[in-house]
Amino acid sequence: EAGVAQSPRYKIIEKRQSVAFWCNPISGHATLYWYQQILGQGPKLLIQFQNNGVVDDSQLPKDRFSAERLKGVDSTLKIQPAKLEDSAVYLCASSPAGGRGSEQYFGPGTRLTVT
Amino acid sequence: SQQGEEDPQALSIQEGENATMNCSYKTSINNLQWYRQNSGRGLVHLILIRSNEREKHSGRLRVTLDTSKKSSSLLITASRAADTASYFCATDAPSGGYNKLIFGAGTRLAVHP
Repeated sequence: EAGVAQSPRYKIIEKRQSVAFWCNPISGHATLYWYQQILGQGPKLLIQFQNNGVVDDSQLPKDRFSAERLKGVDSTLKIQPAKLEDSAVYLCASSPAGGRGSEQYFGPGTRLTVT
Repeated sequence: SQQGEEDPQALSIQEGENATMNCSYKTSINNLQWYRQNSGRGLVHLILIRSNEREKHSGRLRVTLDTSKKSSSLLITASRAADTASYFCATDAPSGGYNKLIFGAGTRLAVHP
């Protein structure tokens, strides 16, 4: 089966610019996650969707980050305006159903550099 | 916040040796998972151990879980150069009826030929 797809793989922007990342989860997976991974750290959950509803966005900086999951499939994560500290790898993951007790499948990530 | 803390932060061994990584956490969990991340790539799930299990094996991997000490260990036996990667433990904690994985900072393993 096809894995989690993400694009772009790399993005370089200047601070105060905006950027958007796209994710296509594994077909049939109801739960979709966006993580931020800063160099040298583990992934930090930004937002979790169950179908097209948000179940956890407690660590999403809502003044600049937004995310949506249209029709419960693809998702986009947007940053506007970007700050230097947003430089990180943004990982998308999906899991089958609610995810309780199940593994997550990760995409290759988008490496964002803010200059 | 990151719940899991891996130890050591970095580990360097020779091919054929065993590698042991430890993870400690703070709150009650449903399960604990280990993931591997090769440089510049996404994370790959290795193994999941439930809170009522004490040990689990998968190929050259052995995971133990001690819920009384809130700790887990990952043992890779007979390591290979291809095992060079970062390894993360992730605790699965209840969150509004769904699971929420909280990752540690990882152990960077280097296996030298």
